Amino acid sequence: DTAVSQTPKYLVTQMGNDKSIKCEQNLGHDTMYWYKQDSKKFLKIMFSYNNKELIINETVPNRFSPKSPDKAHLNLHINSLELGDSAVYFCASSQEPNRASLPQHFGDGTRLSIL
Amino acid sequence: DQQVKQNSPSLSVQEGRISILNCDYTNSMFDYFLWYKKYPAEGPTFLISISSIKDKNEDGRFTVFLNKSAKHLSLHIVPSQPGDSAVYFCAATLTGNQFYFGTGTSLTVIP
Repeated sequence: DTAVSQTPKYLVTQMGNDKSIKCEQNLGHDTMYWYKQDSKKFLKIMFSYNNKELIINETVPNRFSPKSPDKAHLNLHINSLELGDSAVYFCASSQEPNRASLPQHFGDGTRLSIL
Repeated sequence: DQQVKQNSPSLSVQEGRISILNCDYTNSMFDYFLWYKKYPAEGPTFLISISSIKDKNEDGRFTVFLNKSAKHLSLHIVPSQPGDSAVYFCAATLTGNQFYFGTGTSLTVIP
C-alpha cells in the first residue's frame, strides 16, 4: 500500500515530444508537490498544490503544467521536451502547507531521459 | 542560488563508529530543519527534524545539532550500521511553505 505513487518509474522519449507523469497519494494529505532533481543531485521544488489550488509556482518554463483533478492527485504534463528536462522528478505530499513540523512524503521518482 | 549546502558528497565509516553528516545554510530566517534519507531508486524518507528554537534533537541512534550562529547543522548516527548506507539530504524551511534541499551526502557504512 504505497503512500505516494508515481507512474511511470522510467520515461525515455525523444526531444520535442509531450509527456505526462502521474502522482497519487493515499495519505489523505491536502498538499502535494513536484520536485526536480537534476544531474548535480540538486532537489528543487517546482510546484505545490493545496487542496487542488496552486500555492507555489517556481520559475519553471511554461512547458511544464501541473494539474490536480482532486487533492489526492497531482499530475505533471510537459510539452515540447528538451534535453535539459532530463532529470528525476519526485512527487511529494504533506498533511497541510505552512507547517514545517509536518514532513513531506515522497514518491520513488520518475527518471526522465530525453534522447 | 543554493541556500542549503552539503559540501561532502560522500562519507565512509566503519560499522559501530559514529557518522557525522554536515549541512550549512545561508538564510538566517530559516526556522525549521529536516534530514531525509534516500535509498537508490526510492524517494527520500523523513528521518529527524529540529526547530530553530532548539540546538539538539535526539531520536534513537540519530541526533541533530543546530548551531544558529554558524548557520550549521549536523546529523550524528551512533552506532552506525550497514543499513544506514544511503544518501542523506538536509532541508530547511521558512514557515513550512517551501523547503530548500542540499545536494546530499552518500554515506557508506563498512561492515
